[in-house]
Amino acid sequence: DAKTTQPPSMDCAEGRAANLPCNHSTISGNEYVYWYRQIHSQGPQYIIHGLKNNETNEMASLIITEDRKSSTLILPHATLRDTAVYYCIVRVHGGSQGNLIFGKGTKLSVKP
Amino acid sequence: DTGVSQNPRHKITKRGQNVTFRCDPISEHNRLYWYRQTLGQGPEFLTYFQNEAQLEKSRLLSDRFSAERPKGSFSTLEIQRTEQGDSAMYLCASNRDTDTDTQYFGPGTRLTVL
Repeated sequence: DAKTTQPPSMDCAEGRAANLPCNHSTISGNEYVYWYRQIHSQGPQYIIHGLKNNETNEMASLIITEDRKSSTLILPHATLRDTAVYYCIVRVHGGSQGNLIFGKGTKLSVKP
Repeated sequence: DTGVSQNPRHKITKRGQNVTFRCDPISEHNRLYWYRQTLGQGPEFLTYFQNEAQLEKSRLLSDRFSAERPKGSFSTLEIQRTEQGDSAMYLCASNRDTDTDTQYFGPGTRLTVL
């Protein structure tokens, strides 16, 4: 699985959009980009995933660059409850290897 | 559907003691995963099961660690002769092998070895 690079921390004002970047310059053609988050003292929670098209669900939007070497997770209206560590993971969809490979992620602090 | 549950939530033990954790996955999820997370790090994979078969084990899973899923439902993770370096959060996740790789995590068991 390709390696990802994320900033260690970011701040965002409550009610504003939070844009979390992820670099995955060695991504392969069959690898998807997944985002999970982990709120303090809880297990990670799936947010969204995509291959090359932009994706949106009730939690967030995922923007993947045309060359697929980077992506941005967008929380459109951040709340205090969005304060968490956000992990960007790249992996083959439905691969035989079961595990997710987490990096250190980005610690997002949403401030009032 | 009550989600993945883990017990106990917290465990404090003395070095050298054995500990066992339990994970109950979401019903009808045939895959179950164990991860370990130390302070400031992301979760690290330990092992996973498909039904009762243990399909993959990380090199992190030393011979003091053993995991079972005897009936393909709940799973246990046992650590023998605990060491202070075993202090961590132990996370369990589950999914169906037909899912889009989304794993559903439990709240974790925090182990402190004194």
